[in-house]
Amino acid sequence: NAGVMQNPRHLVRRRGQEARLRCSPMKGHSHVYWYRQLPEEGLKFMVYLQKENIIDESGMPKERFSAEFPKEGPSILRIQQVVRGDSAAYFCASSPPGGRSYNEQFFGPGTRLTVL
Amino acid sequence: DQQVKQNSPSLSVQEGRISILNCDYTNSMFDYFLWYKKYPAEGPTFLISISSIKDKNEDGRFTVFLNKSAKHLSLHIVPSQPGDSAVYFCAAEIGGGSGGGADGLTFGKGTHLIIQP
Repeated sequence: NAGVMQNPRHLVRRRGQEARLRCSPMKGHSHVYWYRQLPEEGLKFMVYLQKENIIDESGMPKERFSAEFPKEGPSILRIQQVVRGDSAAYFCASSPPGGRSYNEQFFGPGTRLTVL
Repeated sequence: DQQVKQNSPSLSVQEGRISILNCDYTNSMFDYFLWYKKYPAEGPTFLISISSIKDKNEDGRFTVFLNKSAKHLSLHIVPSQPGDSAVYFCAAEIGGGSGGGADGLTFGKGTHLIIQP
C-alpha cells in the first residue's frame, strides 16, 4: 500500500508564474489536507478537502491560492502569480473516513517550492 | 498567535537516557493531541496521540502525558536511541470524536532532538 505521494518534490518558479502541486492520497483515503511550512516554522493548515468538496479553507490565503480534489485524479494546490514569500515546503496529508481511531493524518514527503 | 508552543527549539540527550519534549497550548477547545516525528526532506510521521479525556498514553518507548489544567503535554522517550534524532512536532485539534475525518491540525514549531552516542 503506497503512502501519500506528492509531486513534484522540488519546484522552482519565477515571480508571476503559476505553481501546481499534486497530491495522491493513500489508497482508501478520501480526505486530503494541505499544509505549508515556512522556514523555521511549524506546519500551518491551509485547506481540507473531500472528493469534489472543499470542507474547510480557513487557512488558505484569500487570493492567488486554490485547491481541488476531483472525483478522479490527485488533489491539486494551485498558486497563481507566485511571489517570493510563497517559497516554502507544502505538505499534503490524507486520512480515511471513519471515527476517532482514524484521526491520524498520514503525510506525504512534501513539495519544496522556491520562487526566484 | 501561536496556539501550540514548543519553547525548546532543540534538545540534546545521551543515548539510553530519557528524552522529554514539552508542548504548551493556549486554546482550551483543543481536545485531541498528537506528536509527529520528522526527518529532513521527509513528511511528518505520526508517533502517538492522546485524547483530552486521558492523562497518559503509552506505546512502547513513547509515552505522552497530558495536564489539562496546565494546558501542557509532554512526550517521553525511554530509552533514547540514535534513530530518534529528528524534529518532533506537537499538534492539536478541536472536535475530537466527531468522526468523519479530522479538521486541520495546529502545529507547534518543533523541537530538534539530538541523541548523542
